[in-house]
Amino acid sequence: RKEVEQDPGPFNVPEGATVAFNCTYSNSASQSFFWYRQDCRKEPKLLMSVYSSGNEDGRFTAQLNRASQYISLLIRDSKLSDSATYLCVVNKGQAGTALIFGKGTTLSVSS
Amino acid sequence: GAGVSQSPSNKVTEKGKDVELRCDPISGHTALYWYRQSLGQGLEFLIYFQGNSAPDKSGLPSDRFSAERTGGSVSTLTIQRTQQEDSAVYLCASSSDSASGANVLTFGAGSRLTVL
Repeated sequence: RKEVEQDPGPFNVPEGATVAFNCTYSNSASQSFFWYRQDCRKEPKLLMSVYSSGNEDGRFTAQLNRASQYISLLIRDSKLSDSATYLCVVNKGQAGTALIFGKGTTLSVSS
Repeated sequence: GAGVSQSPSNKVTEKGKDVELRCDPISGHTALYWYRQSLGQGLEFLIYFQGNSAPDKSGLPSDRFSAERTGGSVSTLTIQRTQQEDSAVYLCASSSDSASGANVLTFGAGSRLTVL
């Protein structure tokens, strides 16, 4: 099983749609979870951290299910500017270990 | 500087040559990562430096790859006897990670390596 797995997509949605991305991770000891966004030919940038209780930032909601080793990202009211690749990031195990990136899920929002 | 600086931004080399890629992290960041991204692919973890701890080298694809971090600051990734499959963008990132947890990564703009 890969350390971090994501559905590569692409997800093609119209403006205003709600879209959800999923990510699974292999190490139950992992403690740090993030979603990053990468635009074409650019470096990745933090979208949001993922907390155990779930967290929301505007149109974006992240959830963590430790029992199932599963992370999700929900985007509501999609905008054209949301078109990008979304990267799930998890640390390898206990605190102080390296961050591993999933291969990313590509989202294309059209008008 | 304010961000992570990488050099060179572009490097074209011939198969079999050695290359060095440099990363200057954000001042005070204790953690430094190297990742590799081939065209259309995800980020492949290469190596992780955290403070004075032994680096996690588990992602280095072969013994032709090595990295150093001098004085807890600047890092150099060296690829010996380059092969065409080494062509990729090499991304460096730093953060204020501690032993208690990982923090947000700030990436450099990357070094694009092309091996002919």
